[in-house]
Amino acid sequence: GAVVSQHPSRVICKSGTSVKIECRSLDFQATTMFWYRQFPKKSLMLMATSNEGSKATYEQGVEKDKFLINHASLTLSTLTVTSAHPEDSSFYICSAKGTSSYNEQFFGPGTRLTVL
Amino acid sequence: AQSVAQPEDQVNVAEGNPLTVKCTYSVSGNPYLFWYVQYPNRGLQFLLKYITGDNLVKGSYGFEAEFNKSQTSFHLKKPSALVSDSALYFCAVRVGKAAGNKLTFGGGTRVLVKP
Repeated sequence: GAVVSQHPSRVICKSGTSVKIECRSLDFQATTMFWYRQFPKKSLMLMATSNEGSKATYEQGVEKDKFLINHASLTLSTLTVTSAHPEDSSFYICSAKGTSSYNEQFFGPGTRLTVL
Repeated sequence: AQSVAQPEDQVNVAEGNPLTVKCTYSVSGNPYLFWYVQYPNRGLQFLLKYITGDNLVKGSYGFEAEFNKSQTSFHLKKPSALVSDSALYFCAVRVGKAAGNKLTFGGGTRVLVKP
């Protein structure tokens, strides 16, 4: 099946620094990637939808200047948490779908971000 | 707007007993329904989906789910639970065939299977 990877799997950073998380589709081309945030014992909250070569569409309440999303190629999307604060600590999960409109989403393994 | 409800935060079941995880949904339009499982510190793994056709859907690891349009439900079931089934389960709904459409997730149900 389709494989989506995320890097890093865990990251610890100091408050005020920026952190970049990568999401890659390993064996298929992903025209659309989704970024989710999951709080402990909570459901997934969709943050944004990114289409290759265009600007991401952010969900209501998600700060686009804080969570920068770049989808520069059909196999890579990045999420950069800028000027991270402890409240940004969370589990970030990406998903990717293929070029066909009817391809399903495949999820990455997630990235645990801890901001000290 | 679309929404998903998983009324139980946790389900406890003894190994070998039947397992049911409940899910109800609310959408405008034809629902496409999904179940995912998440193990600790891992991403979501796809279990099964209902798109159209037979209301009983069979998926991975012996799981199945039944689509009930009148009750707007899509409960996940397994006839005989294993300890390894202990995980967090999410129900999700999407309106429309296009996978670019948003998935809306339920709050999740933690399943604990005791030996």
